[in-house]
Amino acid sequence: EAQVTQNPRYLITVTGKKLTVTCSQNMNHEYMSWYRQDPGLGLRQIYYSMNVEVTDKGDVPEGYKVSRKEKRNFPLILESPSPNQTSLYFCASSFRTESSYEQYFGPGTRLTVT
Amino acid sequence: DQQVKQNSPSLSVQEGRISILNCDYTNSMFDYFLWYKKYPAEGPTFLISISSIKDKNEDGRFTVFLNKSAKHLSLHIVPSQPGDSAVYFCAARFNQGGKLIFGQGTELSVKP
Repeated sequence: EAQVTQNPRYLITVTGKKLTVTCSQNMNHEYMSWYRQDPGLGLRQIYYSMNVEVTDKGDVPEGYKVSRKEKRNFPLILESPSPNQTSLYFCASSFRTESSYEQYFGPGTRLTVT
Repeated sequence: DQQVKQNSPSLSVQEGRISILNCDYTNSMFDYFLWYKKYPAEGPTFLISISSIKDKNEDGRFTVFLNKSAKHLSLHIVPSQPGDSAVYFCAARFNQGGKLIFGQGTELSVKP
């Protein structure tokens, strides 16, 4: 089954404790991206990757890191989480086509930082 | 500064009637526009897209209209069905790149 998986689905952590949210896709997509969803603000792009070893900042990259060492994986790293990073996070992937980007989204990771 | 805006947080429509969801943008460098639908506790799903060189794209019950002079796009759903009840996000892509800007979303409720 074609899918984007994220782990964990729920996470409660404390300020300053490094964490990683994993994202994996099995569709051989070149493009992957991370978003956060907050009430009244919609979806905001954090980072995206056009292909392996190619990443770039989205709209709200501060406080986040990413890496793309393999095509299927695109982990999101919070080196020192803060309460303002409490949010619902989505990973997405797609082929890079002219009609970009008809993305497949993962189920979401709800993160709470206390 | 919000470059993609959905000014209506919610919309309620009767089953069988037309739903019109609106989206405004400010940046002329956007080259593709997309609509996504999101149910609670799920990730968004792609619905329909339109290139900036076109003014209309249709897919079944869903049609997207683009008015570049007004920097406005709209999604029409005809006829509306209760299963269409969800949050709808419009999104815009920067100039063939990977950067996407989403609107705040509009919650559509289709009443039987």
